[in-house]
Amino acid sequence: SAVISQKPSRDICQRGTSLTIQCQVDSQVTMMFWYRQQPGQSLTLIATANQGSEATYESGFVIDKFPISRPNLTFSTLTVSNLSPEDSSIYLCSGGQGAGNTIYFGEGSWLTVV
Amino acid sequence: DAKTTQPTSMDCAEGRAANLPCNHSTISGNEYVYWYRQIHSQGPQYIIHGLKNNETNEMASLIITEDRKSSTLILPHATLRDTAVYYCIVRDSNYQLIWGAGTKLIIKP
Repeated sequence: SAVISQKPSRDICQRGTSLTIQCQVDSQVTMMFWYRQQPGQSLTLIATANQGSEATYESGFVIDKFPISRPNLTFSTLTVSNLSPEDSSIYLCSGGQGAGNTIYFGEGSWLTVV
Repeated sequence: DAKTTQPTSMDCAEGRAANLPCNHSTISGNEYVYWYRQIHSQGPQYIIHGLKNNETNEMASLIITEDRKSSTLILPHATLRDTAVYYCIVRDSNYQLIWGAGTKLIIKP
């Protein structure tokens, strides 16, 4: 199994600022993903974090708003830029191997924008 | 879009088996079925996954129909701590997990 740690676990940010969330996996994983979970909703995939190259974004999510880095097989960051109250959500990192393998999740980063 | 449909909510008595159904009629031959649960305010917890054979681990059993169009997650002896939202997910060809709305399972004493 893999253990995924996210930092910060919780933050309150002013609108117009940015927040960078870090995701650390305790073992090398092929795949890493970032999700958003708005209050009372299910998880929505933001992007696939690709090691050494640009992330692959889902429809409705753009790099300027959600820049992602993945410098190696155990670490990734998600930045939420130009924050507005609508960005208040839980942001979740996940990682794992290919088909047929388990994907593990971090505990999430709770963001409140005021 | 999610490739699964689940009941919105279910109740189960403590100590009884909880059987959670999931329909995935458009699943492709090489796509796996995964189950996760999320207890309020926590990250999703992996439960089990399978391709075509039934699977069992220390948490649950997964029964997949022969045509693979549906599956059932079984929690053999439900406890109050099993109250959570349970998600059935088909992992797609891009290896992504696309989440539906899940089933809110309430275990009653």
